[in-house]
Amino acid sequence: DVKVTQSSRYLVKRTGEKVFLECVQDMDHENMFWYRQDPGLGLRLIYFSYDVKMKEKGDIPEGYSVSREKKERFSLILESASTNQTSMYLCASRDPSGMRTGELFFGEGSRLTVL
Amino acid sequence: GNSVTQMEGPVTLSEEAFLTINCTYTATGYPSLFWYVQYPGEGLQLLLKATKADDKGSNKGFEATYRKETTSFHLEKGSVQVSDSAVYFCALSVGTASKLTFGTGTRLQVTL
Repeated sequence: DVKVTQSSRYLVKRTGEKVFLECVQDMDHENMFWYRQDPGLGLRLIYFSYDVKMKEKGDIPEGYSVSREKKERFSLILESASTNQTSMYLCASRDPSGMRTGELFFGEGSRLTVL
Repeated sequence: GNSVTQMEGPVTLSEEAFLTINCTYTATGYPSLFWYVQYPGEGLQLLLKATKADDKGSNKGFEATYRKETTSFHLEKGSVQVSDSAVYFCALSVGTASKLTFGTGTRLQVTL
């Protein structure tokens, strides 16, 4: 079965802290994505990666960076957390053969609170 | 640009009622259309999809038809169950672009 695992379900951090959100997939998918989910705004794409060491900005990359050193792992980094980054963060992966179908496989999400 | 508009929620229905969740889209090119569902405490999962005009996607009793003339992809189910309570997201992707554009989501609450 397809599995996307996000390391932390719930995090509480302080303003200015550096935050790492980890995501691992076991499906050998090349494409990986980070979204944030906010009430009334739906899902907004932060960054995505077509393959190892490749990354592209999504719609709202400001204040975030990513790392993809291995195919199975895609990390989202908040260099200096701010209260407006309090949100639910969702990681997803996709097999390139899914590009026509668009099927993404999502993790369960990481709810981040920045105080 | 591309966008997806969904009806505002929450939608509250009694069990066995008929469900419609409206979704309309704007896209450059010819999009593929999707419905994703998010059950409480879980990530999103693909519910159904349609890749060209007049296609009907279906799964778990849910259906949606790709209507190019009205740029719509409304989700329907003839008889909802309590277990269908979730947030439903309409989404599109265009051509070989890898990004999916999501709507804001519609929460469905089904009561006994």
